[in-house]
Amino acid sequence: DTAVSQTPKYLVTQMGNDKSIKCEQNLGHDTMYWYKQDSKKFLKIMFSYNNKELIINETVPNRFSPKSPDKAHLNLHINSLELGDSAVYFCASSQDAGAPYFGPGTRLTVT
Amino acid sequence: AQSVSQHNHHVILSEAASLELGCNYSYGGTVNLFWYVQYPGQHLQLLLKYFSGDPLVKGIKGFEAEFIKSKFSFNLRKPSVQWSDTAEYFCAVKKGGSQGNLIFGKGTKLSVKP
Repeated sequence: DTAVSQTPKYLVTQMGNDKSIKCEQNLGHDTMYWYKQDSKKFLKIMFSYNNKELIINETVPNRFSPKSPDKAHLNLHINSLELGDSAVYFCASSQDAGAPYFGPGTRLTVT
Repeated sequence: AQSVSQHNHHVILSEAASLELGCNYSYGGTVNLFWYVQYPGQHLQLLLKYFSGDPLVKGIKGFEAEFIKSKFSFNLRKPSVQWSDTAEYFCAVKKGGSQGNLIFGKGTKLSVKP
């Protein structure tokens, strides 16, 4: 069973479109995250949610909005996509201060 | 602000060579430390972690890391690498006991020649 799953795995879209990436974890963790990995493999935290409340919101454009319908899901919605949004987006989850477990990633390509 | 430095961008080794990847962090308080591995085209997997106790931590696949508080370091080691260890390795730090950010280093690419 996959612990942290993301859909889709690949996403190709045009500039200006709106898209969503879904994430689900079946570990019973109470905190979920979104990370962005750029073309140079650098990983940067975007958001984290704890018990459906946003506890960290790094300086990302407000075109990005996390949505958590319940404790097991943290979706990422992106409005008005730009070329610079092309990256791999990883969802992760952790329990308390434990080590985050990462999902398989979603490779977003904006053309 | 916390930061993590990985000194080597790309390390090339032959099979059976010993490996040491450097990691230094900047934060004066209690920290939790992690090493993750990312095989080509795959997601990040946890290799090992340090929270407290014995500063020499053993992880999966024969990897170990040593926390040296005085040097703010958490170097990753493996006595004998294999071709299958070819991957990107990331060091990460988080404030101890905190649900805050996991801050990553920029990664070290390891290439092992058969």
